[in-house]
Amino acid sequence: DIQMTQSPSSLSASVGDRVTITCRASQGISNYLAWYQQKPGKVPKLLIYAASTLQSGVPSRFSGSGSGTDFTLTISSLQPEDVATYYCQKYNSAPRPFGPGTKVDIK
Amino acid sequence: EVQLVESGGGLVQPGGSLRLSCAASGFTFSSYEMNWVRQAPGKGLEWVSYISSSGSTIYYADSVKGRFTISRDNAKNSLYLQMNSLRAEDTAVYYCAPPAYSGYGWGQGTLVTVSS
Repeated sequence: DIQMTQSPSSLSASVGDRVTITCRASQGISNYLAWYQQKPGKVPKLLIYAASTLQSGVPSRFSGSGSGTDFTLTISSLQPEDVATYYCQKYNSAPRPFGPGTKVDIK
Repeated sequence: EVQLVESGGGLVQPGGSLRLSCAASGFTFSSYEMNWVRQAPGKGLEWVSYISSSGSTIYYADSVKGRFTISRDNAKNSLYLQMNSLRAEDTAVYYCAPPAYSGYGWGQGTLVTVSS
């Protein structure tokens, strides 16, 4: 089965910083990769699908890239409301695991 | 407005059973594959099961295979998860999740607690 890994597991950055989170699949998954944001105590929210397609209503400071096995989620200018845990997920075939998550907070 | 409303969670003893339901509205439910995803307290997201739009293709995570059964009723716009032989490690909030490409959000989830 394909495994999903994420790095780092957590990060602390200043408001306005550029933040990059990496997700890696153990085998190629083309662009069948989604990113979710989960704020404390809230339901996960879809940010990006098809590796780079921004979900409607998501701020343009979020972007995704990659294909095959290596993917990145970038926040171009970190805002206080971006404090959350971010998960990647493959969705092209079964099983459909999530990555372990990356916790982002403000320095 | 797209809505997914999960129900059926609760407290159950180890070895017991529960049936979760997810009522969908605001979109053409029958056109979309669906998933169940769970999150144990303080832990990350875990994909549990998938069902195709027609119900003809089904997948399970190894952790629930043989114990859980996913199903759907497109006439009732509903998704189900029959959970048998429940274990303490099945304690989690269970979410009904549409496919990522749909752009639709998740429901609020239903809490399942397995404890004696």
